[in-house]
Amino acid sequence: KAGVTQTPRYLIKTRGQQVTLSCSPISGHRSVSWYQQTPGQGLQFLFEYFSETQRNKGNFPGRFSGRQFSNSRSEMNVSTLELGDSALYLCASSLSYRGARSYEQYFGPGTRLTVT
Amino acid sequence: KQEVTQIPAALSVPEGENLVLNCSFTDSAIYNLQWFRQDPGKGLTSLLLIQSSQREQTSGRLNASLDKSSGRSTLYIAASQPGDSATYLCAVHAGGTSYGKLTFGQGTILTVHP
Repeated sequence: KAGVTQTPRYLIKTRGQQVTLSCSPISGHRSVSWYQQTPGQGLQFLFEYFSETQRNKGNFPGRFSGRQFSNSRSEMNVSTLELGDSALYLCASSLSYRGARSYEQYFGPGTRLTVT
Repeated sequence: KQEVTQIPAALSVPEGENLVLNCSFTDSAIYNLQWFRQDPGKGLTSLLLIQSSQREQTSGRLNASLDKSSGRSTLYIAASQPGDSATYLCAVHAGGTSYGKLTFGQGTILTVHP
């Protein structure tokens, strides 16, 4: 079974631009979560989507948004980029059902975003 | 608000040593706890998941324990190898309406030298 894939792997953008990152979950997984990882703040939860609906959201400004498609693929968008948005963006997928290994998350390789 | 702390922040050991990584969390009402490994610039690899009702899980040379009442988990690595060098992260899931949200510690950077 293929793992979680993220595209692109690397991205360089300029302050003020916007960016869209993509995540394809493991086949059969309906939940996709997004995280931001920086050296100073570590891994922070952005939001989670399940069946095309946002179920949970972290403490990030409205410039960070996301969506999920009917095939469970997800995108996140960051508008009006700031230097502080430079980070590794990770997505994770899970089955998200009440069971023995519910909510076990599998991570993709990440997208490294550099804002100049 | 759940807070997760990992001690030590960094650890350097010679090959062959057994070692213990520590993780503590402030809210004991967790649903499960996952240990991950992260190589530099890469994504996270899940090592072990412990349900709140379990006390420990084992996979090969790895053993993770959970004491929910005291808010602690440990990851024991037996007979360490240079290939074990990585950052180890623990993360807790609160269950309920947390859905896909994990709360992470800052990680322990492990270096195993030959």
